[in-house]
Amino acid sequence: EPEVTQTPSHQVTQMGQEVILRCVPISNHLYFYWYRQILGQKVEFLVSFYNNEISEKSEIFDDQFSVERPDGSNFTLKIRSTKLEDSAMYFCASSVDRANGYTFGSGTRLTVV
Amino acid sequence: EDQVTQSPEALRLQEGESSSLNCSYTVSGLRGLFWYRQDPGKGPEFLFTLYSAGEEKEKERLKATLTKKESFLHITAPKPEDSATYLCAVQAGSGGSNYKLTFGKGTLLTVNP
Repeated sequence: EPEVTQTPSHQVTQMGQEVILRCVPISNHLYFYWYRQILGQKVEFLVSFYNNEISEKSEIFDDQFSVERPDGSNFTLKIRSTKLEDSAMYFCASSVDRANGYTFGSGTRLTVV
Repeated sequence: EDQVTQSPEALRLQEGESSSLNCSYTVSGLRGLFWYRQDPGKGPEFLFTLYSAGEEKEKERLKATLTKKESFLHITAPKPEDSATYLCAVQAGSGGSNYKLTFGKGTLLTVNP
């Protein structure tokens, strides 16, 4: 069964450093998403991406965040200057269309120290 | 603001003991209600999408139903491998925006052998 692949599975970074989280969505999917889950809290929407541009973003997705699809397969989330409160599990997801269930990756656990 | 409330927060069952999980929601214009299963340290795994009141979907021991205010996930004769956190999410809005998913906190289901 096709999978969404995320790397790395765990990243530890110093506060103020830049991190890039990487995702390979399912090949025939057109919509791409990033969600995050702070330990013990709800899964929260960050951003959706379609046709090489952001289609929707949350209040969390401020100027320190950016997304990119640099080639035909990868989808990345960049956090420019990490803060302690950015520590969370970050999930990438993709879907064929917007109205059906997404396929989520296994996540990247980001720890900011 | 869209709100999703799941109950109970945790449920412990004996193998074979059927039960139901509840997801109540407050949204303006429901596009779809989604059920996911999440295992520890993993991303959400898609189970069902329900689009309109009265709709029902089944998969193995799971059956999801939808009314105008809530959804139920019925688990019939559960097995230990059904142990997981079950997440409910809504997709709401109108026009070209708001295809994001808003999640509840989940119900942690433990099935004892």
